[in-house]
Amino acid sequence: DAGVTQSPTHLIKTRGQQVTLRCSPKSGHDTVSWYQQALGQGPQFIFQYYEEEERQRGNFPDRFSGHQFPNYSSELNVNALLLGDSALYLCASSLNLSPNRLYEQYFGPGTRLTVT
Amino acid sequence: AQTVTQSQPEMSVQEAETVTLSCTYDTSESDYYLFWYKQPPSRQMILVIRQEAYKQQNATENRFSVNFQKAAKSFSLKISDSQLGDAAMYFCAYRSGPNTGTASKLTFGTGTRLQVTL
Repeated sequence: DAGVTQSPTHLIKTRGQQVTLRCSPKSGHDTVSWYQQALGQGPQFIFQYYEEEERQRGNFPDRFSGHQFPNYSSELNVNALLLGDSALYLCASSLNLSPNRLYEQYFGPGTRLTVT
Repeated sequence: AQTVTQSQPEMSVQEAETVTLSCTYDTSESDYYLFWYKQPPSRQMILVIRQEAYKQQNATENRFSVNFQKAAKSFSLKISDSQLGDAAMYFCAYRSGPNTGTASKLTFGTGTRLQVTL
């Protein structure tokens, strides 16, 4: 059973550039959430996708956008990169209508983005 | 908005001993879920244990158990018979219940780094 996968593992970009991060959810899951984890901090919710639509958004600017594909995989795009965007980006998948009210989110290994 | 507070930045425990990590949260909701996640140096966030707010009984998963005090809004994690592999960052997280009208985002605390010594 494949878990959540993310690519790439590491990425180095320059200020002002654009980046795309990718996520494939755990088999059977239909919902993807993205989190930003700055060094030494807990993850912060960016947004969540279900049925190819953004369902909820955290306190992040419009430079952060996403997409979900029919196979439930997802992309996170960040435009006009700032130094402060350097962080670990985590993708988590879950099942929208969770049986037994489990509502667990399973995380991928993350993408480490460094902006120079 | 919900908040999660972990007041212990670092904790240390000897192998085979017991350690308790603290977490408090603030919410006006009555239906919610609480989680403990472990993040080792490999960065992969691993679910350790889950507690549903409507359940009185404290959750247990092998050596991991919680002390859930709903009135006090406290959710501590107890690790028994600590092992070297337990060394990691531990995050407490909150999720609203399905009938609150909000999506299933997780709100995390700032984490507790657990060291396990010989």
